[in-house]
Amino acid sequence: NAGVTQTPKFQVLKTGQSMTLQCAQDMNHNSMYWYRQDPGMGLRLIYYSASEGTTDKGEVPNGYNVSRLNKREFSLRLESAAPSQTSVYFCASSDWGDYPPAQYFGPGTRLTVL
Amino acid sequence: EDKVVQSPLSLVVHEGDTVTLNCSYEVTNFRSLLWYKQEKKAPTFLFMLTSSGIEKKSGRLSSILDKKELFSILNITATQTGDSAIYLCAVGGAGGTSYGKLTFGQGTILTVHP
Repeated sequence: NAGVTQTPKFQVLKTGQSMTLQCAQDMNHNSMYWYRQDPGMGLRLIYYSASEGTTDKGEVPNGYNVSRLNKREFSLRLESAAPSQTSVYFCASSDWGDYPPAQYFGPGTRLTVL
Repeated sequence: EDKVVQSPLSLVVHEGDTVTLNCSYEVTNFRSLLWYKQEKKAPTFLFMLTSSGIEKKSGRLSSILDKKELFSILNITATQTGDSAIYLCAVGGAGGTSYGKLTFGQGTILTVHP
């Protein structure tokens, strides 16, 4: 049982390049989330998916797109990377059946945009 | 807009000291407050609080929620160097597609010196 996995662990991009961050969970959770973490800012929600087939914007969605590929996988895409997107990105998942639902986090992807 | 504020933002203590971390919140349809510990990588879940006045304990850590005054505290007694981490407070709302969605505070960076 791996929990939440993310790839890649590290990535360096040039301004304007695109990339997709992958996330998968094996806990059969309904909901999945993408956060970014910057110093002094805590975790800020980018997008979330309450269930397979649905996605919604979070607090900081600009410059990002997401795809809920199936119940297990939730990807985050940067179409044209900007230096302001340099951050650590975390994927998380939770289940409606849990009361209240605690989120379980992946190990993170450290992204640098030059 | 939901808001979570933690204080202090950083704290330096010596082993054996007791620390109190604070979390205040404003959230629509409050459902739960969660504390996470983040060391080098992903946040890991500590406590979940849903009712006022009921203290949750795990070893040297304890937490309590005041739903009337909209705050929570996390206490750590007899601190050890292994307690050095970022402590994150998050609040969950209720209802519809917001179920499971968390709003995080900025975090408190705790450093425990030997």
